[in-house]
Amino acid sequence: GAVVSQHPSRVICKSGTSVKIECRSLDFQATTMFWYRQFPKQSLMLMATSNEGSKATYEQGVEKDKFLINHASLTLSTLTVTSAHPEDSSFYICSAKTGGVETQYFGPGTRLLVL
Amino acid sequence: GDSVTQMEGPVTLSEEAFLTINCTYTATGYPSLFWYVQYPGEGLQLLLKATKADDKGSNKGFEATYRKETTSFHLEKGSVQVSDSAVYFCALISSGNTGKLIFGQGTTLQVKP
Repeated sequence: GAVVSQHPSRVICKSGTSVKIECRSLDFQATTMFWYRQFPKQSLMLMATSNEGSKATYEQGVEKDKFLINHASLTLSTLTVTSAHPEDSSFYICSAKTGGVETQYFGPGTRLLVL
Repeated sequence: GDSVTQMEGPVTLSEEAFLTINCTYTATGYPSLFWYVQYPGEGLQLLLKATKADDKGSNKGFEATYRKETTSFHLEKGSVQVSDSAVYFCALISSGNTGKLIFGQGTTLQVKP
């Protein structure tokens, strides 16, 4: 149980285009989802926290207009990187949790390459 | 603020060697502590956790004990395998926060046959 999927697993796009990444909880209802960014050989940086039906809460330094997060249902959250640039190239990982349970379950990640 | 510090890697061991990866933390209150593992090209998997002092988390031969007196949660395994090669992250969730995980910087383990 507690499986989280992400789609796509890899995406290559041209500079200036927008890219949408989906995060789904497959066998539980995710009341809260988190989006992380991971640079090579570094730890995970929390970008934002989203609760189902509410606006996402962004961490300091993360541009909310650039990284649009939608958590429209209890099983799906999306991250849209708008007008992507090469510096947005990274590994994006989502996680999900339910109710008052602390444990977060992570998706397999999406590798974004902006040319 | 809350923080997690892990020993720097990479750690290189021979198969069947004993593993210790040190982790210490700074937090207010009584955090829950976690170890996550990341295999190459993949997301993170929960390895084990402990939610209160003196608890021992264990899974797949790995163990870690929540030591409040030393604010530590060191990861150990008695006999590592090549398949254990991965990046290991220590993390905490502070009591009373919104469930945000605070991660250490990660420790790369390479096990050679």
